[in-house]
Amino acid sequence: NAGVTQTPKFRVLKTGQSMTLLCAQDMNHEYMYWYRQDPGMGLRLIHYSVGEGTTAKGEVPDGYNVSRLKKQNFLLGLESAAPSQTSVYFCASSYSLGTFSYEQYFGPGTRLTVT
Amino acid sequence: EDKVVQSPLSLVVHEGDTVTLNCSYEVTNFRSLLWYKQEKKAPTFLFMLTSSGIEKKSGRLSSILDKKELFSILNITATQTGDSAVYLCAVEADGKTSYDKVIFGPGTSLSVIP
Repeated sequence: NAGVTQTPKFRVLKTGQSMTLLCAQDMNHEYMYWYRQDPGMGLRLIHYSVGEGTTAKGEVPDGYNVSRLKKQNFLLGLESAAPSQTSVYFCASSYSLGTFSYEQYFGPGTRLTVT
Repeated sequence: EDKVVQSPLSLVVHEGDTVTLNCSYEVTNFRSLLWYKQEKKAPTFLFMLTSSGIEKKSGRLSSILDKKELFSILNITATQTGDSAVYLCAVEADGKTSYDKVIFGPGTSLSVIP
């Protein structure tokens, strides 16, 4: 099993450009998450999904959109990148039982720089 | 406002030392507390705690939760250089609407020197 994979691993964007980060998991997990990690800030939840076709906002959703068209994939989009979105982005997934979710499995991260 | 606080933020110890990392939280509708280890890349899961007073152990690592005082500790005995990492504490809580909330603390950076 590959676990959680993310593409790309690195990306440099100019202000105003758009891009999509792809997350894929092969563990048949219901829940998927997108986080950003900044120095001294820990991990902050951007958006998450509790199942195919369902998404919800996390702590810092502004400037991002997501889609979960297939259970195994969770896409994070930046429509108009800003320097404040320079960060390391982590995708994660977790098994769930009803509304209770278990530990999260993280992808390797995407380092995004917006100039 | 919900928050998770970790202390210390950084720590340097010698191999063989025992360390205790702290995590305190203030959240509404607590569900579980999780510890993760983050080396160079992605966090990896260590423990999930849902009940007070029940210690979880994995080798030299152990953790316990106190739901009355709203904190957890992560102990590492006989530290090794491979324990050098950032240790993240996360709390899962029922959200105000239909979704859950996962709140991470800032992490404790542990450096173990030979």
